[in-house]
Amino acid sequence: EPEVTQTPSHQVTQMGQEVILRCVPISNHLYFYWYRQILGQKVEFLVSFYNNEISEKSEIFDDQFSVERPDGSNFTLKIRSTKLEDSAMYFCASSDHYEQYFGPGTRLTVT
Amino acid sequence: QKEVEQNSGPLSVPEGAIASLNCTYSDRVSQSFFWYRQYSGKSPELIMSIYSNGDKEDGRFTAQLNKASQYVSLLIRDSQPSDSATYLCAVNFYGNKLVFGAGTILRVKS
Repeated sequence: EPEVTQTPSHQVTQMGQEVILRCVPISNHLYFYWYRQILGQKVEFLVSFYNNEISEKSEIFDDQFSVERPDGSNFTLKIRSTKLEDSAMYFCASSDHYEQYFGPGTRLTVT
Repeated sequence: QKEVEQNSGPLSVPEGAIASLNCTYSDRVSQSFFWYRQYSGKSPELIMSIYSNGDKEDGRFTAQLNKASQYVSLLIRDSQPSDSATYLCAVNFYGNKLVFGAGTILRVKS
């Protein structure tokens, strides 16, 4: 069964550093998303991406965040200057229309 | 502000019983509704989607939607210890963005 994959599973970084989280969506899906979940809190939408451009973003997704589809398979989330409050699980998801399938997540720890 | 509300639980049911999980949402124009299961430390796993009023059954799971009352529920029949998890209700209010509830913790006791 096709699935979304994410790398790395765990990333530790120092405050102020840049991180790139990588995702390989399900191959025939056209919509891609990033969500995050701070420990003990709700899953929160960050951004959606379709046809090589951002289709929607949340208030969380400020100028320090960016997304890119550098090739036909990868989808990345870049955080330019990490803050302590960016520590969370980051989930990539993909869909062909309404049903979104989540990857296993990257645990980002900012120290 | 679009909101999705769930009772945090925990909801405890004996093995073999029916577990009933409920969710309310704030906007009547919502079109798509989803239930995800999330085990501790893992990612959300889609278990049910429902788009129109009424019931939708898939194996031991039944999703129920009432748009007039703005609630969606999930019934799990013949509950098993492996069903113990947090169940997340998610609503697509517009576009493709999902708004999640905080989740209901389900504990199935053998």
